[in-house]
Amino acid sequence: GIQVEQSPPDLILQEGANSTLRCNFSDSVNNLQWFHQNPWGQLINLFYIPSGTKQNGRLSATTVATERYSLLYISSSQTTDSGVYFCAVEEGYSSASKIIFGSGTRLSIRP
Amino acid sequence: EPEVTQTPSHQVTQMGQEVILRCVPISNHLYFYWYRQILGQKVEFLVSFYNNEISEKSEIFDDQFSVERPDGSNFTLKIRSTKLEDSAMYFCASSESGWYTGELFFGEGSRLTVL
Repeated sequence: GIQVEQSPPDLILQEGANSTLRCNFSDSVNNLQWFHQNPWGQLINLFYIPSGTKQNGRLSATTVATERYSLLYISSSQTTDSGVYFCAVEEGYSSASKIIFGSGTRLSIRP
Repeated sequence: EPEVTQTPSHQVTQMGQEVILRCVPISNHLYFYWYRQILGQKVEFLVSFYNNEISEKSEIFDDQFSVERPDGSNFTLKIRSTKLEDSAMYFCASSESGWYTGELFFGEGSRLTVL
């Protein structure tokens, strides 16, 4: 099956810093999503980005499907950005294909 | 904003007991999923469901697990005889379009603790 690798596994930053999280995948994909899992365990949709670039406030994401990677940028980090960031890609071509999660990047923002 | 809702938020059960986790997907969505996350680990796919039948399932989804859409709104996951290793957060998700999945929306999760 498809492999999804995220880097770095852990990242500790001071409030106000910028960061780039990377997601590599082993095969071509049709869809890719970024999620933020907050300290309460909730999975929050950040971006649905099979290709191209999107921005939402301080967050932006870019997927280059032909080169099998996606990047999540967080600018001017705040303590509320802490948590685990997951990349998930679609595997399979059936009607109700599943998405496969990477292992995540644990981000800790210190005040 | 429409959302996926799950109940209960937390359930504690004894090993060997049956557990039913409930989900109400977003109303116009047709594709439904269960995922689980053991504490500190990544989110794992369990099963996808469309048109009242299982579309795909993982090796985790063995005979102890079943899913059902008993009415027009609920989507349930049943664990027939719970084991200690079933302790995890279980997430329900739904999507509007199926072919090439479409964007998945997750519920807040049901935390299952098996003693």
